[in-house]
Amino acid sequence: QKEVEQDPGPLSVPEGAIVSLNCTYSNSAFQYFMWYRQYSRKGPELLMYTYSSGNKEDGRFTAQVDKSSKYISLFIRDSQPSDSATYLCAMSARETSGSRLTFGEGTQLTVNP
Amino acid sequence: SQTIHQWPATLVQPVGSPLSLECTVEGTSNPNLYWYRQAAGRGLQLLFYSVGIGQISSEVPQNLSASRPQDRQFILSSKKLLLSDSGFYLCAWSAGFETQYFGPGTRLLVL
Repeated sequence: QKEVEQDPGPLSVPEGAIVSLNCTYSNSAFQYFMWYRQYSRKGPELLMYTYSSGNKEDGRFTAQVDKSSKYISLFIRDSQPSDSATYLCAMSARETSGSRLTFGEGTQLTVNP
Repeated sequence: SQTIHQWPATLVQPVGSPLSLECTVEGTSNPNLYWYRQAAGRGLQLLFYSVGIGQISSEVPQNLSASRPQDRQFILSSKKLLLSDSGFYLCAWSAGFETQYFGPGTRLLVL
């Protein structure tokens, strides 16, 4: 069983929709949670980062962490065609050697105009 | 601010040829450095990471090697490329366990 499972998608939504992207994890040592956005043929770009349970908002994006359920989500409000990309969740534990991250496999999102 | 560079951006190499991909980071000292490979439509596979000059940890035994000759330079090498080495190679850096920042990537096609 993988330590991080991410809804595989692909996901296709109309412009303006609310998008929910989700990951579950099994390692209770994970303390830091990240979402990356990767456009085609580009490197992943850090979108949001949080370390506590609850919600963190940044513009149209909200990251939600539920440590008791080992579940994280990224919500995108008023989705735009420019949001079309692959979204990767990632997480880390303080004691991991080399500060390695564990990634989900990514969810491909297409927002249709 | 910190910047991470990778080159070349694209590379087409014949099977059996050598490989050298370079990554450099600016604006930070003593970063952790990482090499990932991403197959088309797939997730990230960590290949190597380094916590200091000359310190390399390998995650996956394979046809590749890595070196860190300077604090902010990370090199991925191969003596003889295989078809299966094709992919998108990403370098990343971190200051600790909280986040990593990725470079633009090198697209490698082995023919």
